[in-house]
Amino acid sequence: EIVMMQSPATLSVSPGERATLSCRASQSVRSDLAWYQQKPGQAPRLLIYGASTRATGIPARFSGSGSGTEFTLTISSLQSEDFAVYYCQKYENWPLTFGQGTKVEVK
Amino acid sequence: QVQLVESGGGVVQPGTSLRLSCEASGFFFSSYGMNWVRQAPGKGLEWVAALWYDGNKEFYADSLKGRFSISRDTSKNTLYLQMNSLSAEDTAVYYCARREERSYFNYWGQGTLVTVSS
Repeated sequence: EIVMMQSPATLSVSPGERATLSCRASQSVRSDLAWYQQKPGQAPRLLIYGASTRATGIPARFSGSGSGTEFTLTISSLQSEDFAVYYCQKYENWPLTFGQGTKVEVK
Repeated sequence: QVQLVESGGGVVQPGTSLRLSCEASGFFFSSYGMNWVRQAPGKGLEWVAALWYDGNKEFYADSLKGRFSISRDTSKNTLYLQMNSLSAEDTAVYYCARREERSYFNYWGQGTLVTVSS
């Protein structure tokens, strides 16, 4: 079973700064990787799929990169509404495993 | 617009069973794979189960050990999760999610809370 590992667990960033989140797979998942954002009390929201394609309505400050086992989600200039928990998920095969999440908090 | 509305959560005793429902609207239900994802209090997301778009294949997280069963009723546009032999470790918010063709989850419900406690 492929394990998804996210780092760091918590990222402290000031508004307007760049945030870089990492997701690593224990085996290759090709580009079959998605990123989700979750705010307290809300369901997750799809941000990125195919490792680098923004979902409908997602601002351009969110970008994804990587393939195989190493992936990155970058938020170019953090806005107040971006402070949340971010999860990666692989979907190339079963099980559809999530990473443990990275919390982006205000520095 | 696509809507997924879960129901059926509540407080139940250990060892009992519970069935969750997810009513779908705004899309052709029979054409999409559907999934259940759960989130224990203060924890991350855990994929639970999936039903293939044609309803003919089911997939489950190994950790469930055969206690859960996913199904659907296309006449009611409703997805179900039958949960048996519940324990405190099953306490979580349960989300249903629509899977885009063999890939990511692009629509999620608001979740229903299941609390297993004596």
